[in-house]
Amino acid sequence: GAVVSQHPSWVICKSGTSVKIECRSLDFQATTMFWYRQFPKQSLMLMATSNEGSKATYEQGVEKDKFLINHASLTLSTLTVTSAHPEDSSFYICSARWDRVLYEQYFGPGTRLTVT
Amino acid sequence: DQQVKQNSPSLSVQEGRISILNCDYTNSMFDYFLWYKKYPAEGPTFLISISSIKDKNEDGRFTVFLNKSAKHLSLHIVPSQPGDSAVYFCAASSYNAGNNRKLIWGLGTSLGVNP
Repeated sequence: GAVVSQHPSWVICKSGTSVKIECRSLDFQATTMFWYRQFPKQSLMLMATSNEGSKATYEQGVEKDKFLINHASLTLSTLTVTSAHPEDSSFYICSARWDRVLYEQYFGPGTRLTVT
Repeated sequence: DQQVKQNSPSLSVQEGRISILNCDYTNSMFDYFLWYKKYPAEGPTFLISISSIKDKNEDGRFTVFLNKSAKHLSLHIVPSQPGDSAVYFCAASSYNAGNNRKLIWGLGTSLGVNP
């Protein structure tokens, strides 16, 4: 149980274009999902907390207009990187929290984004 | 300001021996602590957690110890296996500005278990 999927697993796009990454909880409902970014050999950096049916809460320093988050259902959250730049190239990971266990998060496999 | 610290970036142990991964924290308001295991290019996998009201939690080969007075926790893996080779992240549960729980992460410790 507690499986989280991400799509796509990797994507290459050109500078200036937008990319959408999907995060789905497959066998449980997740009121809250989280989006992380990981740079090589660094820890996970929380970008935002996504709540179903409401606006996401962004961490300090994360541009909300650049990283658009939508959590339209209890099993799906999307992250759209708008007007992508090479410095946005990174490994993006989502996680979902099962409402019955508020302190645990279950992670997707991640999406490797490369902006050329 | 690193609220969760894993001071050892890497650790190497022999198969069959004990692996001890350490984690320190600064915020006394943390009420849950979790350990995750991560392979390259994959999402983290939950291993074990401990509530701040306990001092030990055990699950198979994995045991987590919490010393609240020292603000220190450790993960023990006994016996260590080559498949345990991965990066281990310590995380602490807190609240964000929207009053949602979030995890504060350490920088990770890369564990290598040698056959």
